[in-house]
Amino acid sequence: NAGVTQTPKFQVLKTGQSMTLQCAQDMNHNSMYWYRQDPGMGLRLIYYSASEGTTDKGEVPNGYNVSRLNKREFSLRLESAAPSQTSVYFCASWREGTEAFFGQGTRLTVV
Amino acid sequence: EDKVVQSPLSLVVHEGDTVTLNCSYEVTNFRSLLWYKQEKKAPTFLFMLTSSGIEKKSGRLSSILDKKELFSILNITATQTGDSAVYLCAVINYQLIWGAGTKLIIKP
Repeated sequence: NAGVTQTPKFQVLKTGQSMTLQCAQDMNHNSMYWYRQDPGMGLRLIYYSASEGTTDKGEVPNGYNVSRLNKREFSLRLESAAPSQTSVYFCASWREGTEAFFGQGTRLTVV
Repeated sequence: EDKVVQSPLSLVVHEGDTVTLNCSYEVTNFRSLLWYKQEKKAPTFLFMLTSSGIEKKSGRLSSILDKKELFSILNITATQTGDSAVYLCAVINYQLIWGAGTKLIIKP
């Protein structure tokens, strides 16, 4: 009963480096989301995917790309990390009639 | 534009007090409203509300939805220090729309 699995939990990058955050869910949900959460702030939507093969920009998409590889997996890529991308990242999945389920979060620091 | 507004943004009370957190919304095609509690980790689910006027209850926490006036409240009675957290509200239409959260601090 894994729910939403998000990796890694922690990451430190140098400015300009790239990385991919992985997210997988085993609940057969159509919708998946990537959020960032800065200290003292709420969740801000980066990208979402309403179904396999579709992705849409959220509130703060600049500097990120996503891939909905299949129904289970939704990855977030930082091509050239910047200190402004230091944040906690959450993946979530959802289907109609249920609550949203969250991954454990990734604490990313860009130095 | 769809929006969800939570109030107050922060609240400090003493242990044993009762608190009421508010979530108002202007969202097209409303389907349901969710409440979450977030400590220093991922949000954890509290309630899902779909129908107006039906109270959901779990221990000292309760919540109700008013679809006519477009808001929900989350009540916590006999607060404890473990209730200190950020409480998030989200409204579902065809996606999740989150409020900014209410930071609740319970002083011993």
